[in-house]
Amino acid sequence: DVKVTQSSRYLVKRTGEKVFLECVQDMDHENMFWYRQDPGLGLRLIYFSYDVKMKEKGDIPEGYSVSREKKERFSLILESASTNQTSMYLCASGSRYEQYFGPGTRLTVT
Amino acid sequence: GQNIDQPTEMTATEGAIVQINCTYQTSGFNGLFWYQQHAGEAPTFLSYNVLDGLEEKGRFSSFLSRSKGYSYLLLKELQMKDSASYLCAVRDLRGGGATNKLIFGTGTLLAVQP
Repeated sequence: DVKVTQSSRYLVKRTGEKVFLECVQDMDHENMFWYRQDPGLGLRLIYFSYDVKMKEKGDIPEGYSVSREKKERFSLILESASTNQTSMYLCASGSRYEQYFGPGTRLTVT
Repeated sequence: GQNIDQPTEMTATEGAIVQINCTYQTSGFNGLFWYQQHAGEAPTFLSYNVLDGLEEKGRFSSFLSRSKGYSYLLLKELQMKDSASYLCAVRDLRGGGATNKLIFGTGTLLAVQP
């Protein structure tokens, strides 16, 4: 069975804190993605990676960074969390013909 | 530029058929995906079309016309559990590379009524 897991379902952080969101997939996919989803705005791509140690900016990379040291793991980092980063964060991994999402992390920054 | 349009909301009756349309404009089209998303949950993969025509998978079918920039998702024998958002996403190879970058529409919220 396809499996993408994320480290937390719910997270509450304070403004200015450093936040790590981790994603692990067991499908040996080369491509992994981080999205955020906000009401009325849909899914927006933050960063993606097409190989270990390779990364590319998506549509809204500002305020975020990523790390991919191993094929199965893709981390999203908020260096200094701000209230406008309160959102649902979704990790995905995929091949050419499919893309599967993790359960999501609902992050609240207070 | 890129643009994906879907109706915001639709309502249908249990047991009926509903068609959810998606139109897109993109410079590097290379495939269209449909996802189902229940409230508070992650999207789940439904279908993938890259060639023109109809792909059938049980109660769900997806159609693509590349020349018209148009797709639809057809749901038959509607059940209450089909109430969800349905997301259309286009794979865009703009910028080259072999990545699987998807551009998502904002989704269609389908309400199935008894």
